[in-house]
Amino acid sequence: RKEVEQDPGPFNVPEGATVAFNCTYSNSASQSFFWYRQDCRKEPKLLMSVYSSGNEDGRFTAQLNRASQYISLLIRDSKLSDSATYLCVVSAGNNRKLIWGLGTSLAVNP
Amino acid sequence: EAGVAQSPRYKIIEKRQSVAFWCNPISGHATLYWYQQILGQGPKLLIQFQNNGVVDDSQLPKDRFSAERLKGVDSTLKIQPAKLEDSAVYLCASSLVGQGSYEQYFGPGTRLTVT
Repeated sequence: RKEVEQDPGPFNVPEGATVAFNCTYSNSASQSFFWYRQDCRKEPKLLMSVYSSGNEDGRFTAQLNRASQYISLLIRDSKLSDSATYLCVVSAGNNRKLIWGLGTSLAVNP
Repeated sequence: EAGVAQSPRYKIIEKRQSVAFWCNPISGHATLYWYQQILGQGPKLLIQFQNNGVVDDSQLPKDRFSAERLKGVDSTLKIQPAKLEDSAVYLCASSLVGQGSYEQYFGPGTRLTVT
């Protein structure tokens, strides 16, 4: 089993749709969780950290389920500009090394 | 605030040649990371520095890859000799404090093609 797994997609949704991505992780001792966004041929940028209580930033909601070892990202009212790859990142271990998922590709269509 | 700087942006070399990449992190960031990102995959951590010490280099192919961070600021990553499978984007990132707890800021990357 991979340390961090994501559905690669692609997810094709119309503008205004709600879309959700899940990411599972194998290390139950994982401590920190993040969603990064990467546009085509660009570097990754932090979208949001994921907190135990769940957190929201505008149209984006992130949730953590420690019991089932997954995190999720919900995007409401999708915009064309949301088209990108969304990378799930988990840190664990004494040095909290970051483990990256392969990413989920999202295409929002007009 | 200036971001993470990397050079060159693109590099094409033949297999068995050597190549070096340079990274200048955001001022004041103690932690510096080098990642390899192959097309269609997420970034893979090659090496992590805290100031000028190595925190993690477990995934660095040490027979051909080397990295240094003299004086705890700039860093260079070298590949010698290059193989075809080294074709990838090499990303440098920095953060205020390491150990995965704080946001990483990435440079634009160096796109390496080995022919």
